[in-house]
Amino acid sequence: SAVISQKPSRDICQRGTSLTIQCQVDSQVTMMFWYRQQPGQSLTLIATANQGSEATYESGFVIDKFPISRPNLTFSTLTVSNMSPEDSSIYLCSVRTGPSGLFFGSGTQLSVL
Amino acid sequence: GQQLNQSPQSMFIQEGEDVSMNCTSSSIFNTWLWYKQDPGEGPVLLIALYKAGELTSNGRLTAQFGITRKDSFLNISASIPSDVGIYFCAGQRDGSSNTGKLIFGQGTTLQVKP
Repeated sequence: SAVISQKPSRDICQRGTSLTIQCQVDSQVTMMFWYRQQPGQSLTLIATANQGSEATYESGFVIDKFPISRPNLTFSTLTVSNMSPEDSSIYLCSVRTGPSGLFFGSGTQLSVL
Repeated sequence: GQQLNQSPQSMFIQEGEDVSMNCTSSSIFNTWLWYKQDPGEGPVLLIALYKAGELTSNGRLTAQFGITRKDSFLNISASIPSDVGIYFCAGQRDGSSNTGKLIFGQGTTLQVKP
């Protein structure tokens, strides 16, 4: 497994603003991902963060709303842009370190007023 | 998006009781994973299953990959208060072993009464 640190752990933001979430891994990993967990719901993949190139987004998620950076093999950021209350969720960074499944960070709990 | 059918949605049990939850799908998966999520935390991987029929244990937890590859169950024996949390199953399809694309169940909320 890997140690995944996410920050901030929680934030309360105003409508129309943007928040950047950071994810730091304690070892180099090929694959990093961003998931969203809406209140009381399950997890949905937002995008794959590709090192040195544009992220690969899942259906229903776009780069303008959720720009992602991945400058190296241990770090990634997710920005939630022009936020609305519907963006209130837990945002989770995850990594794959081998065939044994995905590991998740502790998440960023975002509330948008 | 598509989800797995996870049941039960919630359980309230007495400490010491055994617990069973399961996930089913209309599609085949090549990997099944079981996670536990505590409040304010990310999901923690409990058990990973890679082969149809596989039965794997992790302490008091036992999980099985269904023969049809369309289902999995998780059992917890002799529950204790710290077992409280939300349990998620997740499936990975053929061809996605190098991606992060897991399909998650809706979760089973477990409460244990001391």
